[in-house]
Amino acid sequence: QSALTQPRSVSGSPGQSVTISCTAISSDIGDYKYVSWYQQHPGKAPKLMIYDVYKRPSGVPDRFSGSRSGNTASLTISGLQTEDEADYHCCSFEGSTFIFGGGTKLTVL
Amino acid sequence: QVPLQESGPGLVKPSDTLSLTCAVSGYSMHTDNWWGWIRQPPGKGLEWIGYINYSGTTYYNPSLKSRVTMSVDTSKSQFSLDLTSVTAVDTAVYYCVKKIGAQWYFDLWGRGTLVTVSS
Repeated sequence: QSALTQPRSVSGSPGQSVTISCTAISSDIGDYKYVSWYQQHPGKAPKLMIYDVYKRPSGVPDRFSGSRSGNTASLTISGLQTEDEADYHCCSFEGSTFIFGGGTKLTVL
Repeated sequence: QVPLQESGPGLVKPSDTLSLTCAVSGYSMHTDNWWGWIRQPPGKGLEWIGYINYSGTTYYNPSLKSRVTMSVDTSKSQFSLDLTSVTAVDTAVYYCVKKIGAQWYFDLWGRGTLVTVSS
């Protein structure tokens, strides 16, 4: 079973862009195409922001985008806003198992 | 109404069984929806526990499989989680979640309930 590695924290100023990486460490990661991202504000439940690597659910601002290169998936937030400050969790489905990364705390300076 | 609402004891003794229920509002349990559980220890990341559909078909996290049982009661629009032989490491916020058929993400989350394992 693979593990997903995320940076513990990232930061950016309002209006800037930040990218959060999610790297799969496994000898058999498959095609890593079922990656999703969740935003979690303190004390709140996670919210789906990106699924299937790059798709955005209805209602999620287009400032949020997802991509993948090899075994690293990325979440990019452009035009940072103060309300984007939150924890972000990546998740991958492989075989019949969901795996989450450790989460990344985004600070908007 | 809250679409997914967790309920259950907030305190469980070591070696006992943790039992939670999730009430579903506004969604049919008989469609292509799957109902699951995800937990988050304090200050840590998320961990998938498993999911179940209306007919009782289940998929569990291999790391928890020996201690987990999920069940569904469509007549009451709810599903449940039992986790046996709990220890302090099972202390976490437990979220009930929904996924759609062959879609590999969780599109709806409950508010979560904190379960503490302590004597």
